Amino acid sequence: DSGVTQTPKHLITATGQRVTLRCSPRSGDLSVYWYQQSLDQGLQFLIQYYNGEERAKGNILERFSAQQFPDLHSELNLSSLELGDSALYFCASGGGYSPLHFGNGTRLTVT
Amino acid sequence: GNSVTQMEGPVTLSEEAFLTINCTYTATGYPSLFWYVQYPGEGLQLLLKATKADDKGSNKGFEATYRKETTSFHLEKGSVQVSDSAVYFCALIFSNAGGTSYGKLTFGQGTILTVHP
Repeated sequence: DSGVTQTPKHLITATGQRVTLRCSPRSGDLSVYWYQQSLDQGLQFLIQYYNGEERAKGNILERFSAQQFPDLHSELNLSSLELGDSALYFCASGGGYSPLHFGNGTRLTVT
Repeated sequence: GNSVTQMEGPVTLSEEAFLTINCTYTATGYPSLFWYVQYPGEGLQLLLKATKADDKGSNKGFEATYRKETTSFHLEKGSVQVSDSAVYFCALIFSNAGGTSYGKLTFGQGTILTVHP
């Protein structure tokens, strides 16, 4: 058990819809990272938050947004969903002197 | 920018065979290097790490040595088991001279390993 909790485990929704993915980092970790894993793109970094503030941005679409709350949990919001957004979305926490630890992911299927 | 290149897969081996998965990197400064493993239907688990040149990371019979001269971090195991079947990812993160890491993990494309009895 990595200590990183992601919910829900699976999500099935239709094109054009909006979903929210949730992540609770390991106790004591201030950083949260979001990654997208798809068959054709591999593991793509989306965005990082550190103690509530955006720290780094990767290949995140404008239709996607994230935030980190005062209790350090984070949410990734995906809107106007397209078929190509179907993927595994991972959250990780850690950094600094600690390696990143990953949650088990949310599998999003857009139909 | 930072990048990681892994050997093309998939890799198929018989049980007890020797495993090597090649990984090379391009990075500035003092990257820390990692191998992560993803078992079917699961998330990524840290397998081993090395934070400076000539460090050897090891775990569960797997080893990798941080070679700065060849910018490599090849994963090896002397005798694989069926239970080692998984996807293996090499990754790096930028670190300063003191070992504090910054920013995102950059991953290689992953190597699928299948071990047959």
